[in-house]
Amino acid sequence: EPEVTQTPSHQVTQMGQEVILRCVPISNHLYFYWYRQILGQKVEFLVSFYNNEISEKSEIFDDQFSVERPDGSNFTLKIRSTKLEDSAMYFCASSDRERFGYTFGSGTRLTVV
Amino acid sequence: QKEVEQNSGPLSVPEGAIASLNCTYSDRGSQSFFWYRQYSGKSPELIMSIYSNGDKEDGRFTAQLNKASQYVSLLIRDSQPSDSATYLCAVDLKTSYDKVIFGPGTSLSVIP
Repeated sequence: EPEVTQTPSHQVTQMGQEVILRCVPISNHLYFYWYRQILGQKVEFLVSFYNNEISEKSEIFDDQFSVERPDGSNFTLKIRSTKLEDSAMYFCASSDRERFGYTFGSGTRLTVV
Repeated sequence: QKEVEQNSGPLSVPEGAIASLNCTYSDRGSQSFFWYRQYSGKSPELIMSIYSNGDKEDGRFTAQLNKASQYVSLLIRDSQPSDSATYLCAVDLKTSYDKVIFGPGTSLSVIP
């Protein structure tokens, strides 16, 4: 069964440092997403990406965040200067159709200390 | 106004019973509705999608949609202990191009 792969599974970083979270979506999917889930809270939308550009972004996705598809397989989320409140599980998801169900990766747990 | 609402639970049902999970949403123009299952510490897993009013069945799962009432539900028949998880309702937003938002989830516990 095709899957979305995320690395690393867990990252610990110091406040103010930059982190890059990596995702390999399912190969024939065209729509890509990042969500996050703070422990005990709901899954929150960050950004959607299609055709090499951002389709939608949430209020959370401020100037500290950026996404990139540097090649034909990877999809990355960069947080430029991490804050304590960025600590969360970050999920990458992909879909082969707009407004269709997503396949989620297993997530990266980001801990900012 | 909260965009997607669910009872947080926990909802406890005995093994073999029907579990009924409910969701309401605020965007009257929403077109796509999803149910995801999330086991503790894991990622969401899509179990059902529904786009038209009425019922949609897939194995032991039935999704029901009523756009006039802005209401989506999920029925799980013959509940099994392995169904114990948090069930997330997700809805697209008509006002956005490609944005699906999640409710807070309902925790289901199936008692053997």
